[in-house]
Amino acid sequence: DVVLTQTPSTLSATIGQSVSISCRSSQSLLDSAGNTYLYWYLQRPGQSPQLLIYLVSNLGSGVPNRFSGSGSGTDFTLKISGVEAEDLGVYYCMQATHATWTFGGGTKLELK
Amino acid sequence: QVTLKESGPGILQPSQTLSLTCTFSGFSLSTYGMGVGWIRQPSGKGLEWLANIWWDDDKYYNPSLKNRLTISKDTSNNQAFLKITNVDTADTATYYCARMDNYGVMDAWGQGASVTVSS
Repeated sequence: DVVLTQTPSTLSATIGQSVSISCRSSQSLLDSAGNTYLYWYLQRPGQSPQLLIYLVSNLGSGVPNRFSGSGSGTDFTLKISGVEAEDLGVYYCMQATHATWTFGGGTKLELK
Repeated sequence: QVTLKESGPGILQPSQTLSLTCTFSGFSLSTYGMGVGWIRQPSGKGLEWLANIWWDDDKYYNPSLKNRLTISKDTSNNQAFLKITNVDTADTATYYCARMDNYGVMDAWGQGASVTVSS
């Protein structure tokens, strides 16, 4: 089974600060066709998760460009360039390989 | 506009079968590449993928729960279903359904249905 490990589990930031979240996979997420099935979601308090990034680095529809994703193989990063108040919540990475989908444990972004 | 809404029993007793319905609009499960996934989240905890069903009736299950899960669809009525047999208190959670595309991404989620298993 593919295990995703997110760090840190909690992140404290001030408005305007840039922050990064790491997601490490126990196996490579690159498939034979050259696609890497790694995604990022944000779950605001009391809301359903919403898609931020798909296939490592592609912004979801309507997602502000202060969000960016990078990485390859087993190591991936979500960066927020200038945190805004609406960005607070829990961030999850997710993978979809070998016909299974797995979520990371989550990173809670809170105000310092 | 894509919308999804989950419905379920709210409360059920241990050993019963949980039946969930996802009613959606804005897409069709007869369209190439479309799918619906089920995900759950115990209160205060993380997300757990349960199962997916695709336009071609292909189905995938979480290996740790596979023996208890059955996913199905009614394409003509824009609905997807999930059954979980022999529930216990560990199945208490909010259950979400989500639209999926052929990149495997869950790009639209329902509001979630709260399910409590209690005697």
